[in-house]
Amino acid sequence: DAGITQSPRHKVTETGTPVTLRCHQTENHRYMYWYRQDPGHGLRLIHYSYGVKDTDKGEVSDGYSVSRSKTEDFLLTLESATSSQTSVYFCAISVGGEKLFFGSGTQLSVL
Amino acid sequence: AQRVTQPEKLLSVFKGAPVELKCNYSYSGSPELFWYVQYSRQRLQLLLRHISRESIKGFTADLNKGETSFHLKKPFAQEEDSAMYYCALSGLDGGSQGNLIFGKGTKLSVKP
Repeated sequence: DAGITQSPRHKVTETGTPVTLRCHQTENHRYMYWYRQDPGHGLRLIHYSYGVKDTDKGEVSDGYSVSRSKTEDFLLTLESATSSQTSVYFCAISVGGEKLFFGSGTQLSVL
Repeated sequence: AQRVTQPEKLLSVFKGAPVELKCNYSYSGSPELFWYVQYSRQRLQLLLRHISRESIKGFTADLNKGETSFHLKKPFAQEEDSAMYYCALSGLDGGSQGNLIFGKGTKLSVKP
């Protein structure tokens, strides 16, 4: 599993509340990513990081922010959750060039 | 613009039949292409990448630059091949290593 874990695995929250998802890796990889997976849309990149405090936006970054204060942790925050952010969120790390290893995913439901 | 198109949302075949999952891409440079698979209740995992020219679990994929395609093929489908398959393109702009662009996915269902 390339030492990548996501927490929580499941989350139910209400519209307007802040939510933070955590991705943790144990192998000191430089690149980390947050994707969301939705039926009919596949996987879409939200944000990615190429080092501590170095992050950039992906295709669907609106409504999301990220932080990476340590190599091993990449946090995804929904400042004010909306129903359109109900999705499965996957963290990934880049290994050996462009081979991505994915976490197990976080199922987020915004009611 | 870089784009990956998987025209079939669902592909249903019988066990032992050949299967081909289609993937077309749009990219102006030299592409790096991948197939990822997600079995039920499991995480996404790399199935194969075109530069490796390998066969994994009986699947192969050939990059056809003329047709801008990277179709995934298997001569004899097995029930355990039932899964969601994603084609992905490497976005090499700006050196964003690992920044993959995914298609919308094709759900393969292999019936007994």
